[in-house]
Amino acid sequence: EVQLVESGGGLVQPGGSLRLSCTASGFKFTSYTMNWVRQAPGKGLEWISYIDSSGTTTRYADSVRGRFTISRDNAKNLVFLQMNSLRAGDTAIYYCAREGFGGSLAFWGQGTLVTVSS
Amino acid sequence: EIVLTQSPGTLSLSPGERATLSCGASQSVFNNYLAWYQQKPGQAPRLLIYGASSRATGMPDRFTGSGSGTDFTLTISRLEPEDFAVYYCQQYGSLPFTFGPGTKVDIK
Repeated sequence: EVQLVESGGGLVQPGGSLRLSCTASGFKFTSYTMNWVRQAPGKGLEWISYIDSSGTTTRYADSVRGRFTISRDNAKNLVFLQMNSLRAGDTAIYYCAREGFGGSLAFWGQGTLVTVSS
Repeated sequence: EIVLTQSPGTLSLSPGERATLSCGASQSVFNNYLAWYQQKPGQAPRLLIYGASSRATGMPDRFTGSGSGTDFTLTISRLEPEDFAVYYCQQYGSLPFTFGPGTKVDIK
């Protein structure tokens, strides 16, 4: 069974940093692109980043480029999202999602809440 | 960036009725890489449809995706109580991947 478990969320002040982790299990981790998607409270979904299976290729949404960095540890089945220069607008539930058929988001974690507030 | 619009914003229906949800794209979606997701309160989204019309593993056949290019539709043939939720479309053919604002299907 595919499982994705996010961790690392919490309350952080504006301008601060946070590192999210996603622990994957139940599938061959090294074969799949991984994504981060976020959802502000009461709002819709926003794709923010992906990293390919080897960790060579990464892409970002404009809203986070230059502030957020995605990475992975294929030996430990982990995906990370390093978030710097956080703003109030980054407050959201952050989901880790595994690539599915053709690049759709086939499996999702339960999310971790990041709150940026003073 | 491809902007997705969804209509209606809210659909009020009764169990057993047919639901038709629309998703429009500001430009053609490459290879019809269009997905539909269902999200219930307090839960993560769940993939229903990928490639515009392929049902994800385990999804009931009352969910049907159709369309191509810039116009896509999700049809729920007969609403079950567990289908009342928010539905999002997403294009993953061009970066940045984008989602529509969602359609809420609620009980009339």
